[in-house]
Amino acid sequence: EDKVVQSPLSLVVHEGDTVTLNCSYEVTNFRSLLWYKQEKKAPTFLFMLTSSGIEKKSGRLSSILDKKELFSILNITATQTGDSAVYLCAVYPQGAQKLVFGQGTRLTINP
Amino acid sequence: DAGITQSPRHKVTETGTPVTLRCHQTENHRYMYWYRQDPGHGLRLIHYSYGVKDTDKGEVSDGYSVSRSKTEDFLLTLESATSSQTSVYFCAISLRGEGDTQYFGPGTRLTVL
Repeated sequence: EDKVVQSPLSLVVHEGDTVTLNCSYEVTNFRSLLWYKQEKKAPTFLFMLTSSGIEKKSGRLSSILDKKELFSILNITATQTGDSAVYLCAVYPQGAQKLVFGQGTRLTINP
Repeated sequence: DAGITQSPRHKVTETGTPVTLRCHQTENHRYMYWYRQDPGHGLRLIHYSYGVKDTDKGEVSDGYSVSRSKTEDFLLTLESATSSQTSVYFCAISLRGEGDTQYFGPGTRLTVL
């Protein structure tokens, strides 16, 4: 069965800290991995990763994929209160329309 | 934001009544999806569509049906709502389908009493 596991499930840090969120997966013939940010509404797209070792970066957020070890990390540097959200990791198995989602990491940034 | 709207945004209904949720997109994307999001289960695919009148089941399709008569509209119907179908329902769209980014609508919160 295809599975995506995120850790930690919950994280509380102070503004300005750097955080690392983890996503490991077991899927049949991996195709791509996506990160989303969800505040009190719809998930919004952050990154898509398909190749190992290539870092995707957008401002203070960055992500990298390790296809050999079957995991990805999402880094957020110099965190701000606006980064507080649930971060979702999802994986496309090859040949499937279905995105398999992890349970998410709830990140809380305290001022 | 991708041009996706969902209606209604909130609905309270009683067990046994039929309910239809609508997803409308202005992006002309071929693929459309219905997910439900529940605590402890994350987002799970109910049904998806890969074109007008072309639909297929996801992992939690029991009790749900869908229809797509136009590119822009994807309807989710609960023929006889049950309390286990209380959830937040998200529609998503994708241009190329498998492997491609999915963009989500604002969600519909459905409560079945």
